[in-house]
Amino acid sequence: SQTIHQWPATLVQPVGSPLSLECTVEGTSNPNLYWYRQAAGRGLQLLFYSVGIGQISSEVPQNLSASRPQDRQFILSSKKLLLSDSGFYLCAWSVANRNYGYTFGSGTRLTVV
Amino acid sequence: GQQLNQSPQSMFIQEGEDVSMNCTSSSIFNTWLWYKQDPGEGPVLLIALYKAGELTSNGRLTAQFGITRKDSFLNISASIPSDVGIYFCAGQSGGSNYKLTFGKGTLLTVNP
Repeated sequence: SQTIHQWPATLVQPVGSPLSLECTVEGTSNPNLYWYRQAAGRGLQLLFYSVGIGQISSEVPQNLSASRPQDRQFILSSKKLLLSDSGFYLCAWSVANRNYGYTFGSGTRLTVV
Repeated sequence: GQQLNQSPQSMFIQEGEDVSMNCTSSSIFNTWLWYKQDPGEGPVLLIALYKAGELTSNGRLTAQFGITRKDSFLNISASIPSDVGIYFCAGQSGGSNYKLTFGKGTLLTVNP
């Protein structure tokens, strides 16, 4: 069966520090991968999505970047965190070219202080 | 771009009451999905709907895919405290790499 792993679960980082959040998927090949941010426990904002290795689409301009170095690995990064980067970050995957919906990871709570 | 209007934004109900929430769109979707997010967790898929008019149940949950393909509703019967969370609707079409469009969520609070 397919599983998605996201870590760390919580993170407290000072302003100006770098960020690296990792997400991996097991049990499937060539998934579509997504990074979402959720502020204040409400709406889901799509940050990046990827349909293949090295293929990244950005939905909103911001202080973050994403990379997909391997088929089932998706990384969210920042060189210098801002206070406004605080939030709940969710990774998700879906079967390419199928309308089966997304499966989400358990999320990372990031607090920038 | 596609947008979903999800209502209500929040609900405060007593345990045992029934709940209804809905989503509407100006665009047609091929698939409607309903997710639930428990506090501090990622959203989990509750129900997926693939045909216009389809009515699907999952325990105390019932969801319908609107005939126009532009709306969907979710009903929860006899609510219990563990129903607390945020419920998201989502629409999916075949274009745009099958990306989901999410509603803004309905925050459900159940008073014991």
